[in-house]
Amino acid sequence: DVKVTQSSRYLVKRTGEKVFLECVQDMDHENMFWYRQDPGLGLRLIYFSYDVKMKEKGDIPEGYSVSREKKERFSLILESASTNQTSMYLCASSFLRKSSTDTQYFGPGTRLTVL
Amino acid sequence: EDQVTQSPEALRLQEGESSSLNCSYTVSGLRGLFWYRQDPGKGPEFLFTLYSAGEEKEKERLKATLTKKESFLHITAPKPEDSATYLCAVQALGGDDKIIFGKGTRLHILP
Repeated sequence: DVKVTQSSRYLVKRTGEKVFLECVQDMDHENMFWYRQDPGLGLRLIYFSYDVKMKEKGDIPEGYSVSREKKERFSLILESASTNQTSMYLCASSFLRKSSTDTQYFGPGTRLTVL
Repeated sequence: EDQVTQSPEALRLQEGESSSLNCSYTVSGLRGLFWYRQDPGKGPEFLFTLYSAGEEKEKERLKATLTKKESFLHITAPKPEDSATYLCAVQALGGDDKIIFGKGTRLHILP
């Protein structure tokens, strides 16, 4: 079974803090993704990565950065947290490279609250 | 522009009352369509991938079907534990490998 884990289920931070969200997958997947999910807006892609040290912007990258130093680990960084970044953050991974159908498997999510 | 629309937004059924959820999509070419189940406060759980029109897949009380414009998730004789949000997502041919998600259908099965 595919397993995607996220470092925290719940996180409370203050405005201006630097926040790290970590995601680890154990299936040797090439691709990893970070989404945020908000009521009424659905899932929105923040960043994704096809390989170690590679990253590509998704639909809403502003205010976020990512790091992928190892194949199994993909970190999302909020450089200076703001209240509008309060959300559920979901990490996903998938096996196949480009030009192939690509089932994504999700982690349990991190509920981040920025005060 | 590629789009995925799910309907209804919410659905309440009695236990045992079968129904269908709809996912309509507009893409230049379909590489794959995905169904997920999401429980409150948790990440989406993968259910099915469909690749081409006419394809069907089943898992317990769920059956997913695909046409050139839409997919249906049929729920037969549902139980309260089937209550969840069901998400549909589409991956288009060409371009990047992004997956476009619908906003989901919240399903509530009453005992």
